[in-house]
Amino acid sequence: ILNVEQSPQSLHVQEGDSTNFTCSFPSSNFYALHWYRWETAKSPEALFVMTLNGDEKKKGRISATLNTKEGYSYLYIKGSQPEDSATYLCASYQSGGSYIPTFGRGTSLIVHP
Amino acid sequence: DAGVIQSPRHEVTEMGQEVTLRCKPISGHNSLFWYRQTMMRGLELLIYFNNNVPIDDSGMPEDRFSAKMPNASFSTLKIQPSEPRDSAVYFCASSLAEGGYEQYFGPGTRLTVT
Repeated sequence: ILNVEQSPQSLHVQEGDSTNFTCSFPSSNFYALHWYRWETAKSPEALFVMTLNGDEKKKGRISATLNTKEGYSYLYIKGSQPEDSATYLCASYQSGGSYIPTFGRGTSLIVHP
Repeated sequence: DAGVIQSPRHEVTEMGQEVTLRCKPISGHNSLFWYRQTMMRGLELLIYFNNNVPIDDSGMPEDRFSAKMPNASFSTLKIQPSEPRDSAVYFCASSLAEGGYEQYFGPGTRLTVT
């Protein structure tokens, strides 16, 4: 069983603040890392699929970086808005055998107006 | 496309009863995943199929759980007999193929076993 850790577990910020959180995963046999956004009472939606060391992806005010050698990814939100409030999940895939995603427990973000 | 469709959305049953959860993946997607979400353990992968064939079922908790995918557009997850500790939200997700493609999740089935 792989260990995918996310920190912090929860985060409260004020509207307009920029924030970031971390996903740590095993660096050996790395294949891919996904970020998902999960709003309350909905289902997870994919934000980014990242595969290469040094990858940087951006979608609007949200961006992510990937370091496969040390096994971490950062998710950044610039100028947080109340609608950014959600749980942000990462999932790590390792190569070798079947491609099983291992999800972290998520970072719960609440943006206060 | 309507996205991944799951039914029922809510299920309340008594301990010992058989429960069948259903999933229709996005048309053209070759991989299908069943997950269970609980407060204690977060989102856990139960089983995944590729081209209708079960590839990894190591997450299936015990023999009371079984999953089938008789064709590319339909999968079931069955619990028989159900127990209160099976209460959770069960998600189905599909992706274009195996190998790290993004997953599209259904709305989930909230199961309560009394």
